[in-house]
Amino acid sequence: EVQLVESGGGLVQPGGSLKLSCVASGFTFSASSIHWVRQASGKGLEWVGRIRTEPNSYATTYGVSVKGRFTISRDDSKNTAYLHMTTLKVEDTAVYYCRAGSPNPFVDHWGQGTLVTVSS
Amino acid sequence: QSVLTQPPSASGTPGQRVTISCSGSSSNIGTNYVSWYQQVPGTAPKVLIYKNNQRPSGVLDRFSGSKSGTSASLAISGLRSEDEADYYCAAWDDSLNGRVFGGGTKLTVL
Repeated sequence: EVQLVESGGGLVQPGGSLKLSCVASGFTFSASSIHWVRQASGKGLEWVGRIRTEPNSYATTYGVSVKGRFTISRDDSKNTAYLHMTTLKVEDTAVYYCRAGSPNPFVDHWGQGTLVTVSS
Repeated sequence: QSVLTQPPSASGTPGQRVTISCSGSSSNIGTNYVSWYQQVPGTAPKVLIYKNNQRPSGVLDRFSGSKSGTSASLAISGLRSEDEADYYCAAWDDSLNGRVFGGGTKLTVL
């Protein structure tokens, strides 16, 4: 059974930091790009960033609203991806999903999400 | 504002066919594949369509996708009450070097 399980969410003060984890099972994690996508309450989906696979040099790219503050990493030996968030703002409050994606063979798996609340 | 434009709402009666549009530009839909997602409130998105018109195994053939130029659409035929959800289109954007989503369309089954 395919599973992606996020953890690490919680309440953090503005300006603080938080590190989310995404543990995968049931598919070839190392062959998939890992994306982070967030959704504020009652709002649409917002792409946060992506880390590619080892053959693609683990290249990362980020959305404009988080660039310079968020960092995505992965440890293929642990089937785990991370989202390290710094200088958090109130507007970063959202449910954060990790998504595994690959075109061939097709893969598009999502975790259940973890809630991050930035508030004083 | 989202990079991809979707109507905020759509509706239909059971058995009807409904279409949801997604408008983009040459740097996203015009150049790259489109995916469609269904999201029931409180749950994670689920992929319905990838590579413009491909259905993953397990997705019913009531769902179909198409693309023309810088626009794409999702069609749902034989509408059912369980289709009531939010629907999002997505594509890679070469100018932004990132994935972009539509703002979402809330489908109501009357």
